[in-house]
Amino acid sequence: KAGVTQTPRYLIKTRGQQVTLSCSPISGHRSVSWYQQTPGQGLQFLFEYFSETQRNKGNFPGRFSGRQFSNSRSEMNVSTLELGDSALYLCASSLDSAGGGQPQHFGDGTRLSIL
Amino acid sequence: EDQVTQSPEALRLQEGESSSLNCSYTVSGLRGLFWYRQDPGKGPEFLFTLYSAGEEKEKERLKATLTKKESFLHITAPKPEDSATYLCAVESNYQLIWGAGTKLIIKP
Repeated sequence: KAGVTQTPRYLIKTRGQQVTLSCSPISGHRSVSWYQQTPGQGLQFLFEYFSETQRNKGNFPGRFSGRQFSNSRSEMNVSTLELGDSALYLCASSLDSAGGGQPQHFGDGTRLSIL
Repeated sequence: EDQVTQSPEALRLQEGESSSLNCSYTVSGLRGLFWYRQDPGKGPEFLFTLYSAGEEKEKERLKATLTKKESFLHITAPKPEDSATYLCAVESNYQLIWGAGTKLIIKP
């Protein structure tokens, strides 16, 4: 069974640009969550999508947005990139939305570097 | 405020030296507690889910236990390949609250 797939694995951008990251969940999983991971802050929750609807959102500025398609694939967009956006962006999928007691399964992330 | 605290931040052990990692939590309405392992440059790998106090789960050299206020991840006779960061997360109010992790280093 294929795991969570994130593309691209590495990305280098400059300040002010925008970026789109992609996530394909495990087949049959309807929930996709996005996280930002940095050495100093650990795992920070960005948002969760379930059946194409945003169910929950973390404390990030509006420059961070996402969407989910009918096949459960998800994209995350960051506009007007800042140096502080350099991080590992992780996508996780689960059978049910958070609150259902189901574990999340992670991809290996997209390493975003801002120059 | 919901909070998850992991200790110690880092732990160095000799191969074969057993120990425990701690995950303490203060949340309103625990729906589940999850343990993950993360290797450098990789995403977290799911290990266990615990739902109620007294529950235990085992996998190879790892055993997770749960009380009403904390969870322990016991590592018995660890090997160098057990070196990783171990993360704990608690599900409450429809979201996961994550601990900062314990970095475990097993020296041969």
